[in-house]
Formats: sequence, structure tokens, C-alpha cells
Amino acid sequence: DQQVKQNSPSLSVQEGRISILNCDYTNSMFDYFLWYKKYPAEGPTFLISISSIKDKNEDGRFTVFLNKSAKHLSLHIVPSQPGDSAVYFCAASRNAGGTSYGKLTFGQGTILTVHP
Amino acid sequence: DGGITQSPKYLFRKEGQNVTLSCEQNLNHDAMYWYRQDPGQGLRLIYYSQIVNDFQKGDIAEGYSVSREKKESFPLTVTSAQKNPTAFYLCASTSPFGVTEAFFGQGTRLTVV
Repeated sequence: DQQVKQNSPSLSVQEGRISILNCDYTNSMFDYFLWYKKYPAEGPTFLISISSIKDKNEDGRFTVFLNKSAKHLSLHIVPSQPGDSAVYFCAASRNAGGTSYGKLTFGQGTILTVHP
Repeated sequence: DGGITQSPKYLFRKEGQNVTLSCEQNLNHDAMYWYRQDPGQGLRLIYYSQIVNDFQKGDIAEGYSVSREKKESFPLTVTSAQKNPTAFYLCASTSPFGVTEAFFGQGTRLTVV
């Protein structure tokens, strides 16, 4: 059972425009959500996170939105740059007393391509 | 610089052989994790350890074993019982203090021939 889903395998965007990556989850016990960026044959690097007590978190060009009632989160990248081209994974965790932040459930990933 | 080091980056083994992947961190993190990535799939949790001398099975632990004798080290052994061992393996760690993200190593690509 896929508890975290990224239904778009790929996304293509023009440089300077907005990139919107989507993620859905089914487990209502998840209370912390993260986005990671990954290049081939490398480890994921953390981008941005959001706690379930918030509905928005912003860091520079990256904004994550959380809609708990819809069990949906999205990552907005504005403006998109060619260097943003990578695979983006959303991940979720259930913070069981603060000991489970690394016990992540990942989506399948979305390949973002930003064209110059 | 603090970080997580996985070695080797590429590893080839014959079918039926056990192989051990190394993961070392100097971040002073208590918790460490092993994930596996297959093409077109997300990362799946194999094993994790929240403290020295203790570890727990993740979602896909069958065919794998781990040890945690030191805080800095969390080696993963891929045994001959693992049916599809060829994959990209990632090690991660987290700080016990407050809300924080998991830091990942650069990964080991294991190919079994």
C-alpha cells in the first residue's frame, strides 16, 4: 500500500515560470512532511519541510503548502531555474515522541526538467 | 566537514555472496537509517537504529542484517537470502534534538551478477 504518492512521474517547465510538484498521502498519522531533491547516483538533499500544525512554509524560491483535509501537499518553485532540474521526492513521517524524524515514507518521485 | 560517508560508491558481487556496505557519520547523530532505491520507485526503509546496540526492522528488512556497535557506524549486510539485491543503497542519520530533517550519504550502487 503506497502511503505517499506522487502521481506525476515528470514535469517540464520553462525557465522563470512556476514549477508545482504535488504529493498525496493516505496515513492521517503523518505529522511532518519534507521535500528532497535528488540527482542520479547521489543521495537526496533536503529542501524544505512543514509540520502538520502549519499550512505553509517558505524558504527563498521554495514554498510548501499543506492541505490536511485533502491529505495533499505541494512544492512551488518560483522562479524555476535550469539548475532545479532533478528528481523531487516528497516524504512523510510520524513523529512518535520526537524519535522518528528519519523514519520516512517516500513518494515515487517526480522528474523536474526546467528548460532554458 | 561533518557528514555521512558511504563506501564504496560502486560494488559488484557474485550471486550468493554476502556483502557489507559501510556507513559512517561524524554528525554526532543518534539515529541512523538504511534505505533502498529501485528505478522509478521511492526510497524504502530497510533498517533503522535510534541508539547504539539497538536496531529495528523497516519495511523491507528480509535478506538484510545490520549492527550498531558504535554511534558513528551503521553497516548493512546484504545476504544471499535477499532475492533482488541489485539497487542503490542510501544511509541517513537524524539529530535527536528538535525537529530536523534526515541527512543522507551519497549512496552505494550494488550490482549482483
